[in-house]
Amino acid sequence: EAGVAQSPRYKIIEKRQSVAFWCNPISGHATLYWYQQILGQGPKLLIQFQNNGVVDDSQLPKDRFSAERLKGVDSTLKIQPAKLEDSAVYLCASSLGPSGAYEQYFGPGTRLTVT
Amino acid sequence: ELKVEQNPLFLSMQEGKNYTIYCNYSTTSDRLYWYRQDPGKSLESLFVLLSNGAVKQEGRLMASLDTKARLSTLHITAAVHDLSATYFCAVDIQGAQKLVFGQGTRLTINP
Repeated sequence: EAGVAQSPRYKIIEKRQSVAFWCNPISGHATLYWYQQILGQGPKLLIQFQNNGVVDDSQLPKDRFSAERLKGVDSTLKIQPAKLEDSAVYLCASSLGPSGAYEQYFGPGTRLTVT
Repeated sequence: ELKVEQNPLFLSMQEGKNYTIYCNYSTTSDRLYWYRQDPGKSLESLFVLLSNGAVKQEGRLMASLDTKARLSTLHITAAVHDLSATYFCAVDIQGAQKLVFGQGTRLTINP
């Protein structure tokens, strides 16, 4: 079974530029999550989707971050404009959701460096 | 707001020794996860603990959950170098399918 796929794996941008990350969850997983992991810390949830609807985006900085999950499968996370403090690893995870186990499976992450 | 605290945050130990990592959380939950993260890598699921008194073991690692005390432990038996990594506990907010992570415990096992 293929795992959670993310791209790109690494990205370096200058502050005030825009960047987008892509995630393809495990097939059949209804719930998709985006986490931000700053160096030396645990992951922090940014947004949670159930199929193509947003369940929780309370910790998403909506003035600069946006996310969508079209057709309830792939998802993109965008930052516009980026700030230095956005430097982090962005992790995508998926789970079966209410119809099954809640265990989350994580992708390899995208390491963002903002200079 | 749910808070999850791990201790210790850093642990350096010798091969062959035993040690325990503690994970305390602040509100009711009966679902707790342990993950391992190697440097530059993503999170690997180790254990899923779904009820009070749950105990799971895999190799030299054993995890337990006491929901009344809001405490989970990850016990390492006869440590080997390959177990060097950062270990995270994460608590599922009941009914929300959301994980709140601890700060992580960076474990270094020296020969």
